[in-house]
Amino acid sequence: EPEVTQTPSHQVTQMGQEVILRCVPISNHLYFYWYRQILGQKVEFLVSFYNNEISEKSEIFDDQFSVERPDGSNFTLKIRSTKLEDSAMYFCAGQIDTEAFFGQGTRLTVV
Amino acid sequence: DAKTTQPTSMDCAEGRAANLPCNHSTISGNEYVYWYRQIHSQGPQYIIHGLKNNETNEMASLIITEDRKSSTLILPHATLRDTAVYYCIVRPAGSNTGKLIFGQGTTLQVKP
Repeated sequence: EPEVTQTPSHQVTQMGQEVILRCVPISNHLYFYWYRQILGQKVEFLVSFYNNEISEKSEIFDDQFSVERPDGSNFTLKIRSTKLEDSAMYFCAGQIDTEAFFGQGTRLTVV
Repeated sequence: DAKTTQPTSMDCAEGRAANLPCNHSTISGNEYVYWYRQIHSQGPQYIIHGLKNNETNEMASLIITEDRKSSTLILPHATLRDTAVYYCIVRPAGSNTGKLIFGQGTTLQVKP
C-alpha cells in the first residue's frame, strides 16, 4: 500500500502555541487531505488540497487552521493558536486514482 | 452524500469468514461504495470499493445487491489482526473522491 509518512507521531503543546504537523505523501498523489479524530469520536474531514490550493474545507477548518505544500513534497497543517479542544489524532491522506491512503497520524495533546 | 447504516459491533471466530453488512438505501447512480478499516487508532486503511459489480482483491470481497441499496464486505478467513472498526462509505465518483464522511462503523472483534 502506498505509504504516507507523518511527523511527529506525538506532539504536546501549550494552549495558545502554534503547531505544525507534517506529512509526506507519495510523489504521484494528486489530492491531499487532513482529517482529525478526537478520542472516542468519528474521523472528521478537515480540508482537501489540490494544485497548491484548498479545494474544499469543512466547518471545523476555521481561520486558526492553514495548509500548504511549500516544496512539492511536504504537506503541512498549521494550527495558529491551539485550544484544548484541538487535542486529537490528525491524519493526512493522499489520493491515487480513486482511493485515499492515510498516514499513521499525529497525536496532538494541548495542555 | 448518501447515508449508510451498519451494525455497531460483530464477532467472528478466527479462520471463519466475516460478513459485514451495510445499508445504503438512498445511494444514487453515480455513487460508489467504499470500505475502509481502522485498527486501534491507526490511520484508516483502504480495503475495497465498487459501483455495482461484485469486487474482489487480496484483502476482501465486496458484494453489492442488484438494487445497490445494500452491500456486504467479506473477509474470507478472518485473523486476529482483522479486529478493527470497519467503515462503509458511499460517495460520488469524481476528482475529489478522497473526501470521506465517516460514520461510527462496525467494530469487528475476531476471537480465537
